[in-house]
Amino acid sequence: AQSVTQLDSQVPVFEEAPVELRCNYSSSVSVYLFWYVQYPNQGLQLLLKYLSGSTLVESINGFEAEFNKSQTSFHLRKPSVHISDTAEYFCAVSEGNQKVTFGTGTKLQVIP
Amino acid sequence: DAGVTQSPTHLIKTRGQHVTLRCSPISGHKSVSWYQQVLGQGPQFIFQYYEKEERGRGNFPDRFSARQFPNYSSELNVNALLLGDSALYLCASSQIASSGNTIYFGEGSWLTVV
Repeated sequence: AQSVTQLDSQVPVFEEAPVELRCNYSSSVSVYLFWYVQYPNQGLQLLLKYLSGSTLVESINGFEAEFNKSQTSFHLRKPSVHISDTAEYFCAVSEGNQKVTFGTGTKLQVIP
Repeated sequence: DAGVTQSPTHLIKTRGQHVTLRCSPISGHKSVSWYQQVLGQGPQFIFQYYEKEERGRGNFPDRFSARQFPNYSSELNVNALLLGDSALYLCASSQIASSGNTIYFGEGSWLTVV
């Protein structure tokens, strides 16, 4: 069975500082990996995804994540955060079907 | 193009009642999935439907059921509501049912059971 661990429930960071949100997964087969963002009282928005190919994937708003198969990790990073990045971020994994397993989420709080 | 639309956006029900939540997928999308997100947790997979057939089911009791209509819209039904069913119910759609195909979420239906 697949599972996702997000060790940090909350991450406070000052504006313009770098941030890393950690994600580790467990699966017995090849996986697809995702990061979703959820703003208050809204649904989930896909931030970026890894399906195959280059292990480094990027989003349009400056986030990037690197798939590390040996460490079973898919950490999310951004070199300089903005106030507007304040949200909850969910790491997710999918195996061979559309059942997506989500982590418990990390709340990113950007401090002015 | 409209995204995934869900209705109602908010509702309050009493324990023991029944609720029906509705979802319209993005035009051209044939796969619909349902997720339950309890406050403070990540979404949990409930069902997936593709071409009107159930393709996957999560670890939820039989009180939860769903169906998909010929126009690919979907309903989630929950019977004999419990306080613990209070959650945000998210619908997601995608073009096909295979993994890796991006799924798009609606804004959700907030269900409060009192």
